[in-house]
This record gives sequence, structure tokens and C-alpha cells, in this order.
Amino acid sequence: AQSVSQHNHHVILSEAASLELGCNYSYGGTVNLFWYVQYPGQHLQLLLKYFSGDPLVKGIKGFEAEFIKSKFSFNLRKPSVQWSDTAEYFCAAYAGNMLTFGGGTRLMVKP
Amino acid sequence: KAGVTQTPRYLIKTRGQQVTLSCSPISGHRSVSWYQQTPGQGLQFLFEYFSETQRNKGNFPGRFSGRQFSNSRSEMNVSTLELGDSALYLCASSADTEGYGYTFGSGTRLTVV
Repeated sequence: AQSVSQHNHHVILSEAASLELGCNYSYGGTVNLFWYVQYPGQHLQLLLKYFSGDPLVKGIKGFEAEFIKSKFSFNLRKPSVQWSDTAEYFCAAYAGNMLTFGGGTRLMVKP
Repeated sequence: KAGVTQTPRYLIKTRGQQVTLSCSPISGHRSVSWYQQTPGQGLQFLFEYFSETQRNKGNFPGRFSGRQFSNSRSEMNVSTLELGDSALYLCASSADTEGYGYTFGSGTRLTVV
């Protein structure tokens, strides 16, 4: 069975700091990978997705992620966070007609 | 275009009762998935439907069931409710069969008392 793990449960950063959230998946076949964000009181929104091709994918709001097949990783990055990035971030993998989520990382950005 | 619509937004039920939640996908989307979100367990996959067929089911007891209609609208049902079923139930729809991107609804907050 596939699984997705996110290493950091809580991250606290100051504005303008750089962000990297770790995500590892376990699945032997082809997977589609996603990062979703859930702002306080709002529904899940897609940040970015990777299916194939360039392993560095760019998403909305300045986020990007790098797919490293050899490490089964899909880490999310942002060079300079803003207070408005405070949210919960979920990594997810789609395979076998099922989208599996990681446990989520709560990011708090201090102004 | 309209997003994924889930009704009702909030629901309070008593242990032992049953509940039906509804999800209307984005027009043209034929794939609908359901997830349970709780603080302790995070987001857990319930089931996925495509063109009225259940293609996959998560690790939930048989009290959790679902169906999809010909217009792609979906319902999920939970029978004999338990306190632990209190959660946010999320529905997501996608246009294709390869999970190229799901759009999520705002969810139904179910409280079992």
C-alpha cells in the first residue's frame, strides 16, 4: 500500500525566511504528486502538481517543489515566506485510483 | 464555474443514527472521492467513484458506504453512528481518471453526540 510521510508537523518561521517542507512517498510504480494547502477556515487548495517531465515544478503563490525519484521525495519550497502563508500544508500521492495524504505540516509565519 | 458543493455544511447527529452527505462535483467532472479529516488521523481516503462505479475503497468499516449517480453527484452514508465518526468529511472531484488534480469542497462537519 502506498503511504506519504511529512517530516515536520509544526514549523514556525519569521517573515522573509526560506521554507522547505519535506515529503516522502512509498510506492513502487508511477505516482502523481501534489501539494495542497488549507488556510484557516478554508477548504483544501491545490498548490502544485507533478506528473512527469521537469522534476522542478512551480505552483501558485511562489511555491515550488522538486521531485527526486531516487529519494522518493517531493519537497516543497518557497524562498521567502509571508505572514499570509500561515496554513496547513499537505503532500499527496495519487496511484491506484486513490489519493493518499501525508499527515500535514502546520506552518506559522510570524510577522 | 461553480466549485464542488457539499451539503449540508454542518450536521449534529446522535449515536446510533445514520447520516447521508451529498456532494455535487464541478460540471463535467466524473470522478468523485470522499475523505475523512480529523485532528488525530489527518486526511483519510474513504472511496472513489468514477462513472457510477466505485473504483477504490479505503480502510473503513462497512458502516461507511457511498454511491454516485448518473449526473456524477455522489452521496455517502454512515450508519449506526459512533462518537468517533465526528469529523470533517471532504468531497473532491476530478475531470479524469488519472488524478490529475482534485478540487475539494468545503466539507460537511459532522458531530456525533
